[in-house]
Amino acid sequence: QQPVQSPQAVILREGEDAVINCSSSKALYSVHWYRQKHGEAPVFLMILLKGGEQKGHDKISASFNEKKQQSSLYLTASQLSYSGTYFCGTETDSWGKLQFGAGTQVVVTP
Amino acid sequence: DGGITQSPKYLFRKEGQNVTLSCEQNLNHDAMYWYRQDPGQGLRLIYYSQIVNDFQKGDIAEGYSVSREKKESFPLTVTSAQKNPTAFYLCASTWAGRSYGYTFGSGTRLTVV
Repeated sequence: QQPVQSPQAVILREGEDAVINCSSSKALYSVHWYRQKHGEAPVFLMILLKGGEQKGHDKISASFNEKKQQSSLYLTASQLSYSGTYFCGTETDSWGKLQFGAGTQVVVTP
Repeated sequence: DGGITQSPKYLFRKEGQNVTLSCEQNLNHDAMYWYRQDPGQGLRLIYYSQIVNDFQKGDIAEGYSVSREKKESFPLTVTSAQKNPTAFYLCASTWAGRSYGYTFGSGTRLTVV
């Protein structure tokens, strides 16, 4: 079952913050976050493991609430380079098998 | 530099034809994956392989076939049984275990003509 991401799209001005949510109907072992620029391959940002701590990548951080089967990605003080589509990938009981959400398109304007 | 190479970048298929998409990695990764991406949608898993000579079906395996004869190679064949093959195909790889992110190739855009 694919995770559900929200919102579908967000438009930001440089310097603003945003939150992207990812939720699953199944118990999660890990959550991955990727960013894809138009026409390119997705790029790995970070992974959050069950029982693990909040992670960060530059001014992009994420949290993982195992009980609620949810993860959130935080874009802080957004930069133009943050534009792209963000995907969460969830791993449940089958090792090495990621299910991806539909993506959240982020547009950062000057 | 290590990475994943997908070829060709663009591929055109006629109705009724089988085509094979190449995926090669020199990262010494154990597991490899094929995903399909349709416009405005997420990635859907076609097939995956965690060790050589073994692979499992993903969520949308019908009309596709794979092989894993070498650790570094995981080709995908789109058969004539796949009724709607036009899409962007992405290959990915990672190490065994649950703590590693995926590395993706640059993708193959397949169009039926």
